[in-house]
Amino acid sequence: SAVISQKPSRDICQRGTSLTIQCQVDSQVTMMFWYRQQPGQSLTLIATANQGSEATYESGFVIDKFPISRPNLTFSTLTVSNMSPEDSSIYLCSVVGRDGYTFGSGTRLTVV
Amino acid sequence: GQQLNQSPQSMFIQEGEDVSMNCTSSSIFNTWLWYKQDPGEGPVLLIALYKAGELTSNGRLTAQFGITRKDSFLNISASIPSDVGIYFCAGQEGGSEKLVFGKGTKLTVNP
Repeated sequence: SAVISQKPSRDICQRGTSLTIQCQVDSQVTMMFWYRQQPGQSLTLIATANQGSEATYESGFVIDKFPISRPNLTFSTLTVSNMSPEDSSIYLCSVVGRDGYTFGSGTRLTVV
Repeated sequence: GQQLNQSPQSMFIQEGEDVSMNCTSSSIFNTWLWYKQDPGEGPVLLIALYKAGELTSNGRLTAQFGITRKDSFLNISASIPSDVGIYFCAGQEGGSEKLVFGKGTKLTVNP
């Protein structure tokens, strides 16, 4: 299955700042997704990262808060903008490859 | 959005016991997936199911895709301490690559 490198693995950020999370895949994949997992909760899809075009956001998530880039078929970034403590979560990227769905190990974000 | 009902929410068992958890949906799914998440890690795929009625095993794990395509179960036989973690079901609806996740089953195994 595809191997995903997600960075950073964790960070502690001040409120009002922004953090960019990177997702690098070892092979070209068509579909890349970004999920949020709030403390003690399940995974919620933020958006689908589309190569060469704007991401497709799920209800409750907007581009101004979570801008996403996907410059090629192996890389994507998610930015969490103007952070507040409510943004403290694990953020995960996921891809669909030849072997199905694979998840990165996640970025554990704490906003203070 | 679409929700999956996963139960039980948590389980406390003795080592060696068998475990069963399930997920149900109000709509039909084309694919059912079962993941395990350890603390500080992302979900790791355990079993993928692609056809209604399909029964698939992976070591001590067995999962089935319900015949109605609206449910799935995961069984773990002869549990061991390393089975501890949170188990998630996920479903994929037709026409979309997006996954919908259940709320998870937290498994604790007492040695």
